[in-house]
Amino acid sequence: KAGVTQTPRYLIKTRGQQVTLSCSPISGHRSVSWYQQTPGQGLQFLFEYFSETQRNKGNFPGRFSGRQFSNSRSEMNVSTLELGDSALYLCASSLALGSYNEQFFGPGTRLTVL
Amino acid sequence: KNEVEQSPQNLTAQEGEFITINCSYSVGISALHWLQQHPGGGIVSLFMLSSGKKKHGRLIATINIQEKHSSLHITASHPRDSAVYICAQPQGGSEKLVFGKGTKLTVNP
Repeated sequence: KAGVTQTPRYLIKTRGQQVTLSCSPISGHRSVSWYQQTPGQGLQFLFEYFSETQRNKGNFPGRFSGRQFSNSRSEMNVSTLELGDSALYLCASSLALGSYNEQFFGPGTRLTVL
Repeated sequence: KNEVEQSPQNLTAQEGEFITINCSYSVGISALHWLQQHPGGGIVSLFMLSSGKKKHGRLIATINIQEKHSSLHITASHPRDSAVYICAQPQGGSEKLVFGKGTKLTVNP
C-alpha cells in the first residue's frame, strides 16, 4: 500500500507570490491534517479535513487555506507569501477523525520564500 | 491551554546505552503519540497509547495518566536511532495535535 505522498517536495517562491501544495493520503484514509514545521516554532497544526469538510483550523492567518476533494486528496494554499512562511509543510492521513487514530505522515514539502 | 513539554532537548549517548526521553502534558488526554523524525524531515509514528505500556522491538513507551507523564525508552541504542523524537497530544476529539519541541538524540558508535 502506497504511503502518503506530497508534491512538490521542494519549492522556491518570492514574497508576494502564492503557492499550492498537494497531499495524497493512503488509500482508504479519509482524514488529512496539515502541519507547518519551522526551527523556531517547531511543529504546528494548520488544518484538519474529513469528508471534504474542514473540521479544525490552527492559529494561522487567513492567507493559509485548504480544501479536500472527494477522493480525499487535499491541497493547501498560501497567498501573499512572506519570508516567515519558509518552512517544511507536512500532511498526515488517518482512517478517521478521533484521537485514537494513528497518523501517517508524508515526506513534506520544503518551501523557501525569498 | 494544552501544553506538551519534553526533556531533555538534546541527548548524546554511546552505542548500547539505555535511553529515556520524557514528555509531560497539562490536560487530560485520550491518546499520546510518539513520533520519530530523521534528518531530511520524514516523520514516522512510533506509538500511540492511552494507558500502560507498549513495546516494539527495542522501543518501549509508557504513560502515567495520573501524573500526566509519558516516557519513551530505547534499549541497546544504535547510531541509526539518531533522530528527533517528538511527543504529541491530540486536542479533544479531533486530529489536531499539539507537539512538544522534540528531543534530538545522537547515538555515537
